[in-house]
Amino acid sequence: KAGVTQTPRYLIKTRGQQVTLSCSPISGHRSVSWYQQTPGQGLQFLFEYFSETQRNKGNFPGRFSGRQFSNSRSEMNVSTLELGDSALYLCASSLEGRNYGYTFGSGTRLTVV
Amino acid sequence: DQQVKQNSPSLSVQEGRISILNCDYTNSMFDYFLWYKKYPAEGPTFLISISSIKDKNEDGRFTVFLNKSAKHLSLHIVPSQPGDSAVYFCAASRNSGNTPLVFGKGTRLSVIA
Repeated sequence: KAGVTQTPRYLIKTRGQQVTLSCSPISGHRSVSWYQQTPGQGLQFLFEYFSETQRNKGNFPGRFSGRQFSNSRSEMNVSTLELGDSALYLCASSLEGRNYGYTFGSGTRLTVV
Repeated sequence: DQQVKQNSPSLSVQEGRISILNCDYTNSMFDYFLWYKKYPAEGPTFLISISSIKDKNEDGRFTVFLNKSAKHLSLHIVPSQPGDSAVYFCAASRNSGNTPLVFGKGTRLSVIA
């Protein structure tokens, strides 16, 4: 079966712009979580969606937002980009949200210049 | 406040020998622990997990040990193979895996042939 698909794979944006990243979970998976990976901080939890509802949210500013559609696909948006937002953004999906069932996508590498 | 700590950023081991990766945690509410492996340009892949009701879990060459009193877990890889060279992340969760994963910063393992 197809894995978790994240698009685009690479992105370069200018400071102050906004960006939208997309994640298509494994077919049948209803939970989608987003993580930010930076060299200094490891993987940090952004938010989790289950059946179109945000179930958990990490400690990130309001510039970071997300949503989930009825087909379980998810998008995350970052507005007013800052240089520090440069990171690998990872999406993970699972059937019911239990973390041991998570499958990660390959990520979107965002560079803010 | 780093709740999950991997104090060794890197580790080099000879092929065929044992690799031991360590992880410490501070939150006594964590009851489920996981190890993920990550290759460059790929998302993390699940390796092995352990519940707090156990002190050991084994899967082939991989064994995870949990010492709750010391709030410490370790991943043993025996024998180590060159294909094991990757970044290893320790992660923890509460409520039997129903809360977002908290990750360590990772340990880069290099297995030298």
